[in-house]
Amino acid sequence: IVMTQSPATLSVSPGERVTLSCRASQSVSSKLAWYQQKPGQAPRLFIYDASTRATGIPARFSGSGSGTEFTLSISSLQSEDFAVYYCQQYHNWWTFGQGTKVEIK
Amino acid sequence: QVRLVESGGGIVQPGRSLRLSCAASGFTFSSYSMHWVRQAPGKGLEAVAVLSYDGVKKFYADSVKGRFTISRDSSKSALYLQMNNLRPEDTAVYYCARESVMGGSPGSYFQHWGQGSPVIVSS
Repeated sequence: IVMTQSPATLSVSPGERVTLSCRASQSVSSKLAWYQQKPGQAPRLFIYDASTRATGIPARFSGSGSGTEFTLSISSLQSEDFAVYYCQQYHNWWTFGQGTKVEIK
Repeated sequence: QVRLVESGGGIVQPGRSLRLSCAASGFTFSSYSMHWVRQAPGKGLEAVAVLSYDGVKKFYADSVKGRFTISRDSSKSALYLQMNNLRPEDTAVYYCARESVMGGSPGSYFQHWGQGSPVIVSS
C-alpha cells in the first residue's frame, strides 16, 4: 500500500491552523497513525487509529478520515510543532508516507 | 518507563555483515511484537522486519528478504537484526520499535521507538 502525503512542505506562522493530508492507494480502514519527527530524533507517535491522540499529545492536534483519505490538523501552531510529520498505515504490512515538513514562515 | 536502546551500527564495506542489537527495558519484552525500521539520509521511514512476541512469526520487506534476519532473546530483553551481504542502499539509521498491543500477531502501530543506530555501507 502506497501512502502519499501532501504538501511536501508547509510554511506557516505560529498561531495559524494547518491541515496535512495523507492518501492511501487502497483502503486501510482506520489503521492509520501519525508520527512527528524532529531533526536528529526518533519519530514520536502522535495519532493512532486515525483519530486517537497518543498519551501526552496536546488537544490542538486532531486526526480524521477513514478508508483512503486522512488528515492531521493542528489548530494553533506552536513553536515546538515545527517538524516533519509522517503518516503510516498498518492495515497491510507497515508503510509510511514521504512526510510533510512544517516550517516557520 | 519504556526504553529501547540500539547498538552495533557502524561503517562496513559492501558485501560484509553487521548485527544490530536493541536493549529493551521498562516493559514485559516477551509480550510485544517488535520491529526494525530504517531511515536513509534525508529520506523517509521504511519498515524492514517484524518479529512476533513469541518469536514465531517473522516478516521482512522485499528489499531485505534473504539478507536480513530478525531475532529476539527474551531472557535478555533484546532484539537483534543480523544484516548480511550489505549494500550501499542499506545505509540508514536503524530504529527498533515496539508495537502497542500485547500478544497476538503483529499488526499495530509503533508506540515506542529507540534513538537509532547509524549504519553506513561504503567501500
